[in-house]
Amino acid sequence: DTGVSQNPRHKITKRGQNVTFRCDPISEHNRLYWYRQTLGQGPEFLTYFQNEAQLEKSRLLSDRFSAERPKGSFSTLEIQRTEQGDSAMYLCASSLNGQANYGYTFGSGTRLTVV
Amino acid sequence: AQTVTQSQPEMSVQEAETVTLSCTYDTSESDYYLFWYKQPPSRQMILVIRQEAYKQQNATENRFSVNFQKAAKSFSLKISDSQLGDAAMYFCAYWPFGNEKLTFGTGTRLTIIP
Repeated sequence: DTGVSQNPRHKITKRGQNVTFRCDPISEHNRLYWYRQTLGQGPEFLTYFQNEAQLEKSRLLSDRFSAERPKGSFSTLEIQRTEQGDSAMYLCASSLNGQANYGYTFGSGTRLTVV
Repeated sequence: AQTVTQSQPEMSVQEAETVTLSCTYDTSESDYYLFWYKQPPSRQMILVIRQEAYKQQNATENRFSVNFQKAAKSFSLKISDSQLGDAAMYFCAYWPFGNEKLTFGTGTRLTIIP
């Protein structure tokens, strides 16, 4: 297992376009998290899944954002009608149920630039 | 709401010397965990050290140790014998037991001077 994998690493898109990011967690981890990190800030929680169920969403996750984890394995984060304010690093992390207190394993992130 | 404050946007230290990064947090919870994460440039965030709030003993991982002051809500990271590979952004994070959200500080950029 090579850890948490995120694709693409970088994405440049024009304002108004839709984008989709993918995260492949560590295979035995049933919890998956999405965070957003803007320049000069720490990561901010967006949403998390336990298996295929999305259990919590931040108010940062506007209706233009949707996340899925259809089979409890990989997850996708889609942003519709992108805005310049969506430019950020999108981080995915995973953990085992009941072991989040040991910390998450993060991916390398997808850096989104909206022009 | 829980908040995590890192008051040092940037720090620098001479190679082989010791540096301390500060972190304070605000919470009304009694059971929680605190973490320090390291984020090297263009690389993934990795866990450096964790502290359980109910343990009075400060956590240590090789050259990394913490000074946890629960009453003061302070959680500083000490890096001894600094190495060039320690250069990174360091984030302090708070995790209340039973919650799934990590709350991060704004980070401290650590530069190692050869």
